[in-house]
Amino acid sequence: QKEVEQDPGPLSVPEGAIVSLNCTYSNSAFQYFMWYRQYSRKGPELLMYTYSSGNKEDGRFTAQVDKSSKYISLFIRDSQPSDSATYLCAMSASSGTYKYIFGTGTRLKVLA
Amino acid sequence: GAVVSQHPSRVICKSGTSVKIECRSLDFQATTMFWYRQFPKQSLMLMATSNEGSKATYEQGVEKDKFLINHASLTLSTLTVTSAHPEDSSFYICSAGQREGRDEQYFGPGTRLTVT
Repeated sequence: QKEVEQDPGPLSVPEGAIVSLNCTYSNSAFQYFMWYRQYSRKGPELLMYTYSSGNKEDGRFTAQVDKSSKYISLFIRDSQPSDSATYLCAMSASSGTYKYIFGTGTRLKVLA
Repeated sequence: GAVVSQHPSRVICKSGTSVKIECRSLDFQATTMFWYRQFPKQSLMLMATSNEGSKATYEQGVEKDKFLINHASLTLSTLTVTSAHPEDSSFYICSAGQREGRDEQYFGPGTRLTVT
């Protein structure tokens, strides 16, 4: 079993839809949870950074962490064609080593 | 803020030659930099963690003599792929940790290496 599981997709939605992206994990030591967006042949761009359980909102993006279920989500409201990309979840333990474990990424396509 | 650059963005080299990739943090000092490798449609795999002024820590299965990492300053880390072979062709991405006590990593744009 992988430490971090993420559905690779592809996920296709119409413009304006609410998108839900998810990751599950097995390591209860993870304390920091990140979402990155990666366009084709580009480096990942940090979207959301959260510590421990709870919700965090930034514009059209909302990140949720449920440590009891070992489950994290990213919601994108009013999705746009420019949101079409691969979304990677990443996690790290509070060890200070900064080592990230990434999910495989979910390919999202928002149709105009 | 938190901009990381990589150079070159794309390189093609012949089998047996060495290639150096630079990673720079442009507007912050990075005590820790990371090197990842990404194959098509796959996730990022951490290769090594680089701390300024000390030897890099390599992940299991990564040959340290093949992938030489030098973190010469708080804004520059280099990855040298020595005696490159076609199987080394990949997308190499660096990231930098912004400051002590924070876990965010900011990624460079990546370098596509093709070994012929």
